[in-house]
Amino acid sequence: QKEVEQDPGPLSVPEGAIVSLNCTYSNSAFQYFMWYRQYSRKGPELLMYTYSSGNKEDGRFTAQVDKSSKYISLFIRDSQPSDSATYLCASGGSQGNLIFGKGTKLSVKP
Amino acid sequence: GAGVSQSPSNKVTEKGKDVELRCDPISGHTALYWYRQSLGQGLEFLIYFQGNSAPDKSGLPSDRFSAERTGGSVSTLTIQRTQQEDSAVYLCASSPPKGSYEQYFGPGTRLTVT
Repeated sequence: QKEVEQDPGPLSVPEGAIVSLNCTYSNSAFQYFMWYRQYSRKGPELLMYTYSSGNKEDGRFTAQVDKSSKYISLFIRDSQPSDSATYLCASGGSQGNLIFGKGTKLSVKP
Repeated sequence: GAGVSQSPSNKVTEKGKDVELRCDPISGHTALYWYRQSLGQGLEFLIYFQGNSAPDKSGLPSDRFSAERTGGSVSTLTIQRTQQEDSAVYLCASSPPKGSYEQYFGPGTRLTVT
């Protein structure tokens, strides 16, 4: 079992929809959780990160971590065509390196 | 400020040749990471440098891969005797001083081994 699992999609939604992206992780020692956005042929861009459990909101984006179920979520409200990208979740412990999911490819249709 | 930069952006090499990939981290960042991203795969951790500590090399796939970090700043990833399976995008990331967990990525080097 991979340490971070993510449905690769693709996921296609109409403009304005609420998007829910999800990951699960297996290592109880993971303490911090990241979401990255990656456009085609570009490096990953850090969107949000949270430490331990709880919610974090930034504009149209909300990150949620439930450590009891080892579940990580990213919600995008009022999705825009410019949100079309691959979204990568990542988790890590104290040792430094992140373990990434394979990414979910999102397409927002105008 | 300037982000993480990597060079070259693209590299095509013949099987068996050695290649060097360069990473310039964000100024003031103490941690530097190398990852590999293959088509259809997630990011695979390769190596991690934190300040003056010994690097964590646990992700290097074989002894053909090595990395250096000079003066706590610029890093070079070297792949010797390249193989076709080494074809991938090699990504570098840096982090602020210890206690911050966010990693900021460069644009990557796309390596193609023919």
